[in-house]
Amino acid sequence: QLQLQESGPGLVKPSETLSLTCTVSGGSINSTNYYWGLIRQPPGKGLEWIGSIYYTGSIYYSPSLESRVTMSVDTSKNQFSLKLSSVTAADTAVYYCARHHFGYFYGSGSYYNQLDYWGQGTLVTVSS
Amino acid sequence: QSVLTQPPSVSAAPGQKVTISCSGSSSNIGNNYVSWYQHLPGTAPRLLIYENDKRPSGIPDRFSGSKSGTSATLGITGLQTGDEADYYCGTWDRSLSAGVFGGGTQLTVL
Repeated sequence: QLQLQESGPGLVKPSETLSLTCTVSGGSINSTNYYWGLIRQPPGKGLEWIGSIYYTGSIYYSPSLESRVTMSVDTSKNQFSLKLSSVTAADTAVYYCARHHFGYFYGSGSYYNQLDYWGQGTLVTVSS
Repeated sequence: QSVLTQPPSVSAAPGQKVTISCSGSSSNIGNNYVSWYQHLPGTAPRLLIYENDKRPSGIPDRFSGSKSGTSATLGITGLQTGDEADYYCGTWDRSLSAGVFGGGTQLTVL
């Protein structure tokens, strides 16, 4: 059974960089057609997609966060990571890792896009 | 402001049926597949529906999905108190080259 586990500091100071690591177990991060995604949920708000990375390093970022986000993958450790710079209180959220089944069906001319395995999430608070 | 529009809340009695709508545009729902997620507070979101109308293994057939044009719908029949949760639609947006979610719908089983 595939499992994802988020790890990182639970408290980050304003203007600093939030760092989060997702460890994948029970499967390989090198899987074809699977990206690895990061999603967050601020308190009292809905889900927000942050970005997704393929094991080759191909990346998609949310346009609203792109200027502050860096994702990377370490296939030797079966991990992928997030760095979010210049954080403010608005970045306080539960951060989730997920496996992102993403691709393009040429027959239908449509993208498929589902997050089928999720980590339990980790709360990151931005506060001095 | 979410790219996809969902009603903030829906409610129905136990045993009844409820539908949750998700409205988008030609750059997202209109030309891509839709997925649906169930999220109970304090837990990881769970994939309920993918590729518009397919259910992952282990998801009861009380849950169904459909898509027409630039809108999608999640249906839940035989409502149970355990179905009380937040439900989100999601898809890919070609214009943004990004994944997008609806704002979420809170389901109350009265």
